[in-house]
Amino acid sequence: GEDVEQSLFLSVREGDSSVINCTYTDSSSTYLYWYKQEPGAGLQLLTYIFSNMDMKQDQRLTVLLNKKDKHLSLRIADTQTGDSAIYFCAGGPGANNLFFGTGTRLTVIP
Amino acid sequence: GAVVSQHPSRVICKSGTSVKIECRSLDFQATTMFWYRQFPKQSLMLMATSNEGSKATYEQGVEKDKFLINHASLTLSTLTVTSAHPEDSSFYICSARGGGPDTQYFGPGTRLTVL
Repeated sequence: GEDVEQSLFLSVREGDSSVINCTYTDSSSTYLYWYKQEPGAGLQLLTYIFSNMDMKQDQRLTVLLNKKDKHLSLRIADTQTGDSAIYFCAGGPGANNLFFGTGTRLTVIP
Repeated sequence: GAVVSQHPSRVICKSGTSVKIECRSLDFQATTMFWYRQFPKQSLMLMATSNEGSKATYEQGVEKDKFLINHASLTLSTLTVTSAHPEDSSFYICSARGGGPDTQYFGPGTRLTVL
């Protein structure tokens, strides 16, 4: 199966930008996704990027994809306390076979 | 769109009893649903993939006789944990494939505690 790796923790001050990184091994992913998990809840699809794109911006969220290096990142501008959660990147050959990263716990310091 | 519900959200049961968890896609039809287990501070572990009207496909190491999955309709899949034991205590999350983009949409999860 695919290996998807993320750093486990990230702390930022409220108002700063957060950058969460993800590396993966399988280059056959058509889409790559970012999910957000708040405590005691399921995963919420935040955003996604098609594999032939380099960047996608959606309000405060910017996704960057470097296919050559198999590196995906999520930038959250003007990070708020409500952004504190665990963020998972995911990809795979299809929606039936998604591989999830280990998750990055983002803590926003007021 | 693409809302998935789970019921119950939390259940506590005695060892040896069976527990059923329901997963519903509320505003779309899901031919494929997935059941995951999540241990504290860990990522998701796929348990099984269920297709409407057919038998579920279990991941290696998951006992199909212990974790019974039924996907009887395009909007409902159930997971029954049979003869539950304390080691089955976990957070169980379902997802359903559908909507746009084509990905998995997750339910809110069920916290199972077996005493």
